[in-house]
Order: sequence, then structure tokens, then C-alpha cells
Amino acid sequence: DAKTTQPPSMDCAEGRAANLPCNHSTISGNEYVYWYRQIHSQGPQYIIHGLKNNETNEMASLIITEDRKSSTLILPHATLRDTAVYYCIVMEGGAQKLVFGQGTRLTINP
Amino acid sequence: NAGVTQTPKFQVLKTGQSMTLQCAQDMNHEYMSWYRQDPGMGLRLIHYSVGAGITDQGEVPNGYNVSRSTTEDFPLRLLSAAPSQTSVYFCASSSGIWAPLHFGNGTRLTVT
Repeated sequence: DAKTTQPPSMDCAEGRAANLPCNHSTISGNEYVYWYRQIHSQGPQYIIHGLKNNETNEMASLIITEDRKSSTLILPHATLRDTAVYYCIVMEGGAQKLVFGQGTRLTINP
Repeated sequence: NAGVTQTPKFQVLKTGQSMTLQCAQDMNHEYMSWYRQDPGMGLRLIHYSVGAGITDQGEVPNGYNVSRSTTEDFPLRLLSAAPSQTSVYFCASSSGIWAPLHFGNGTRLTVT
């Protein structure tokens, strides 16, 4: 079973920040939080990952709470191309054992 | 730099037929893996490899075989296809155990 809980769907207006929450209350100390997205039926695309500190890259920001039991992925200026299913994943024993849950279907509205 | 290339993109098989799904990467990644995705579900790990000559089972390995004779290639074999294997199959690679995965665009398999 996936170790994360995400809302099944969210909507966001184009140009606004999209904030996608993820609960991972059973995360252990050496497990990373990874975010991927899947646009339509393409292969999943890596977005960002983090352990304890907040992270930012050219695609998004990742905010992890101090107790590490939840995190938020932020897309600062959402576009229509950001419409996708977003997966929050806690690493289990290495990159080859990612456990994907149901994800959040994010719809960006014009 | 093509990344991860999967062939074929689409395949229809009859029950009992065998076939091999091909996966190749040109990034010199040590780690490669196969996932399947069924409608409305997340991806489930089938098999993975941490380097040439080394493979291991994932969450749903039954009905599938793999081998890794080169760093670049990681084929997935269906020995006797069953309708339950109708799915979209994704191959992925990464440069290290904690490194992000790079996925191919999938093979859509239908078994009738």
C-alpha cells in the first residue's frame, strides 16, 4: 500500500499558484518525499524531491512540515499544461521501489 | 539524447502468445525498472535491475521475466500472455538508488 494520502482531485485557475497537499504521517527518518506527475497517458515526469528542508527548482517548490508528516507541492504560476495527475511518493528502499498511490488529478482552468 | 525508449508503442496479443517489450536507455544509468499501470490506478513495480546481470522482483512479478545483459537494455518478457496482463507498461531508469526516475512513454498492451 502507498504510504501517502492525497486528495483525488483539485482545480486551480490559470496563472494562480497551485498548492497540492500530501499526508505521509508514517514516514521514517531516512525516507525522501518525491513528486512526479503524469500528463494524459505519457510516462511520469519527475518534479522535485526533499528530505527535511524546503526545496525549489525551475518547476516547483516543495514545502515539508517540521515533523515531516506532510508536505505541499507548489506550482507558482500554473498553466494549462500543468493539468496532470500528481503523485506524492515516499521512497521505500531506493529508487527502484517507488510505490505510487492514486495521486491528485489537478485541472488548471482558463 | 533519446532518454528511455520503449518499443512497440502498441501491441495486441492473443491469450497464450509470448512477446518481449523492449526498453533501452542512452544515459548510462545503472538502475532500470518496469512498471505496469491499469486504468484508474497508480503504477506498480514488476521487476527492477541495479546493474547488468542483476535483477530482482517488484510488487507484481508473476507472469513476467527479465534479464539485463547490458547497461543499456532491459527487456520484459511475457511467456504466456493472459487477459489480466492487459495494461500500459512503463520502463524507467535512474543514475543512482536515490536519483529521480526517467520514464519512457509506455507500451500499451491488449491481450484478447
